[in-house]
Amino acid sequence: DTEVTQTPKHLVMGMTNKKSLKCEQHMGHRAMYWYKQKAKKPPELMFVYSYEKLSINESVPSRFSPECPNSSLLNLHLHALQPEDSALYLCASSQVRLRGGTSTDTQYFGPGTRLTVL
Amino acid sequence: DQQVKQNSPSLSVQEGRISILNCDYTNSMFDYFLWYKKYPAEGPTFLISISSIKDKNEDGRFTVFLNKSAKHLSLHIVPSQPGDSAVYFCAAKRRGNQFYFGTGTSLTVIP
Repeated sequence: DTEVTQTPKHLVMGMTNKKSLKCEQHMGHRAMYWYKQKAKKPPELMFVYSYEKLSINESVPSRFSPECPNSSLLNLHLHALQPEDSALYLCASSQVRLRGGTSTDTQYFGPGTRLTVL
Repeated sequence: DQQVKQNSPSLSVQEGRISILNCDYTNSMFDYFLWYKKYPAEGPTFLISISSIKDKNEDGRFTVFLNKSAKHLSLHIVPSQPGDSAVYFCAAKRRGNQFYFGTGTSLTVIP
């Protein structure tokens, strides 16, 4: 099973709303990621969690707040977003590279949440 | 600074022929490379990968070639099928859990 699930599939929110995106995987992966993707652009990394701890934050505005409650779940809390934040938000997971050696990790993506901020 | 580049934004190929998608990278610390296929409004789907210790990896109709000295990789699809029409992203990884994506190539396979 190489499935990463994301809910909701679509989300429309106003600039004053608070909402959350959810991601789940049951592959035993201990690294989980949030990406943002605009049309005709590559996925842009936002956050990386490794062993449930935030390891990378790519200078993402504080209106995006990630949370990793356990090894299978990843949330992205949204508050006071701007219309330019409208995008496809992708979750992914992978094994965590062990010390030394060559990685054979593959990153598996969920289907994404299409977010529209009005 | 774009560390992974796909210089062809689009490619059209006749059904049954070979599709060759190219990708260049600048960081010699990358040690693992992947190709993803993406349909509109969906997440990328993993296709095939290659470790930097290899120069070729084959999986059915898909073959990835890696030329480390040129910092270049390519994806060959033979024979191409209409269902292969999608955007293809190459990605590269180095130590740590950061993946770097190219800008994508939109492949159209003409029946």
